Amino acid sequence: SSELTQDPAVSVALGQTVRITCQGDSLRSYYASWYQQKPGQAPVLVIYGKNNRPSGIPDRFSGSSSGNTASLTITGAQAEDEADYYCNSRDSSGNHLGWVFGGGTKLTVL
Amino acid sequence: EVQLVESGGGLVKPGGSLRLSCAASGFTFSSYSMNWVRQAPGKGLEWVSSISSSSSYIYYADSVKGRFTISRDNAKNSLYLQMNSLRAEDTAVYYCARVNIVATIGSYYFDYWGQGTLVTVSS
Repeated sequence: SSELTQDPAVSVALGQTVRITCQGDSLRSYYASWYQQKPGQAPVLVIYGKNNRPSGIPDRFSGSSSGNTASLTITGAQAEDEADYYCNSRDSSGNHLGWVFGGGTKLTVL
Repeated sequence: EVQLVESGGGLVKPGGSLRLSCAASGFTFSSYSMNWVRQAPGKGLEWVSSISSSSSYIYYADSVKGRFTISRDNAKNSLYLQMNSLRAEDTAVYYCARVNIVATIGSYYFDYWGQGTLVTVSS
């Protein structure tokens, strides 16, 4: 099965811009989706497809992709954005068909 | 309002079995693929299993293949996960999640999640 690689931790100053990346072979075939998870809560979808936000997700969240890398950008990070972020994609490598998650990135807002 | 409510978690001994349920409401359950995703304490998300809308296509992560069985009852708007031969490493919060698909552009994503149910495998 495929793997998705994320940096374990990233920090950003309040109001600044931060990019969280996700690398993996499956991203050459499928768009990544991104999830925000705060302690003790279920994950929440923040970005899907080329660059789509579900209703209720602030427009400071955006997504992009190139080759085998997907990125989640938060422009003007807020204190409430401090959370774990996970990327995810469909996985159709070899005989395996399913989904794969990245290991997660812990975002600290300073 | 879309709601997914998991139940059935608890403490079980290694080698034991447990059946998780996920009750869905607020959408046409029979039109969507569904998945189970788990999260071990302090760890990241791990995809476990998926089932298509009509149960025609079922997939498992290698870590649970042969031990777990996913199923659904569209008449009852319910998703299930039968877990057998449980191991300590299966200890996790188990989430059910709805899949949304735009296959023409390669976009697959989990748009709604339940709150999860905790499974603890310990003697």
